[in-house]
Amino acid sequence: QSVLTQPPSVSGAPGQRVSISCTGSSSDIGAGYDVHWYQQVPGTAPKLLIYANNNRPSGVPDRFSGSKSGTSASLAITGLQAEDEADYYCETYDSSLSGSVFGGGTKLTVL
Amino acid sequence: EVQVVESGGGLVQTGGSLRLSCAASGFTFSSSGMSWVRQAPGKGLEWVSSISSSGGITSYADSVRGRLTISRDNSKNTLSLEMNSLRAEDTAVYYCAKRAVTDRGWYYFDCWGQGTLVIVSS
Repeated sequence: QSVLTQPPSVSGAPGQRVSISCTGSSSDIGAGYDVHWYQQVPGTAPKLLIYANNNRPSGVPDRFSGSKSGTSASLAITGLQAEDEADYYCETYDSSLSGSVFGGGTKLTVL
Repeated sequence: EVQVVESGGGLVQTGGSLRLSCAASGFTFSSSGMSWVRQAPGKGLEWVSSISSSGGITSYADSVRGRLTISRDNSKNTLSLEMNSLRAEDTAVYYCAKRAVTDRGWYYFDCWGQGTLVIVSS
């Protein structure tokens, strides 16, 4: 069982907006640690999507955005495209475990 | 191009040992913290271990502490993971990941390798 809780799956039609939640606790997200998001297309390595809550690395479309509030964070994807179909993971630091922790992952299906 | 490439995975018996390597290029390896992250078949990502840029500070997940050892050779731009007393639950793809730092000093993984598969079986 993951320290960070994500919905197992979300879906949306092309062009729509979807959101993926990531819920933590007072020892991780709630403690003020930055949240990061990774995209993993099946069969490939994870790729950094959002860092430090709401920052996009070079090359990541502005359709992807992140936010954080209290003990939770969210990833929003607007203008859904078929190529967005992938697994998405949130990640942060947990002071009680003294290490990085990941969410269980959310599978995004583009209908 | 920033790149990390893992090697050394394979099939090993329960209780056995294996050494993974990660070759880094395209960035100043000696200035970057590094990590190992694993993914069991059909499962999510699990952080395994991290090491500071100098190698002086290491950290481990509870599930591997005492059995896996992370190290680095900055003269060869290489990261390693020594794996001992392997268990079936260690079966996973092991990813080498470069660490970056946010403005507030928190780490994240900004470059990942393609992974190397470790299968532990009796």
